[in-house]
Amino acid sequence: DAGITQSPRHKVTETGTPVTLRCHQTENHRYMYWYRQDPGHGLRLIHYSYGVKDTDKGEVSDGYSVSRSKTEDFLLTLESATSSQTSVYFCAISSGRDEQYFGPGTRLTVT
Amino acid sequence: GNSVTQMEGPVTLSEEAFLTINCTYTATGYPSLFWYVQYPGEGLQLLLKATKADDKGSNKGFEATYRKETTSFHLEKGSVQVSDSAVYFCALSEPPQGGSEKLVFGKGMKLTVNP
Repeated sequence: DAGITQSPRHKVTETGTPVTLRCHQTENHRYMYWYRQDPGHGLRLIHYSYGVKDTDKGEVSDGYSVSRSKTEDFLLTLESATSSQTSVYFCAISSGRDEQYFGPGTRLTVT
Repeated sequence: GNSVTQMEGPVTLSEEAFLTINCTYTATGYPSLFWYVQYPGEGLQLLLKATKADDKGSNKGFEATYRKETTSFHLEKGSVQVSDSAVYFCALSEPPQGGSEKLVFGKGMKLTVNP
């Protein structure tokens, strides 16, 4: 199994509070991705990174920001959480040869 | 833009039944195609892939053939087991843009196999 961990695994937070999710990899892969999974939508890309300090937006990036200061860590921040951001968030990594490897997910509930 | 359309289910089968999950795609160029599987409470795992037309991907008794003429990548298994109960996602890879290849996923299909 690819070495990917996500923290926290579960979080409940209130509307309007900031939230940061962490993805950590031990594979030294260049590419990292954040997705959200919602019923009826499959997985949708939020942001991705193609190197340290190199990031770009995915299809559902509004309300989210990311940072990557080290190869192994990719942070996803919800600046002011809303109920529509209640979801399961997955991090993925790739060496750039098509396949992506996924973390175990973070279940976020915004009340 | 590129897109993937797959059966959404949910589908319930009896053990040893034959499984087909349809997947069709719309893409420019020649994407790689994937099937990912998500077991309850876990992240997605790559099940199989094909990188060019007529390639057949296979793993754990599952098979899928890259059909360019019908833009399809249907997943099949001859005899499902209870342990195959999961959500199955079809996906394609988009050409690198902004320095990274990206995957486009279908909406997923939940399969339950009963003993």
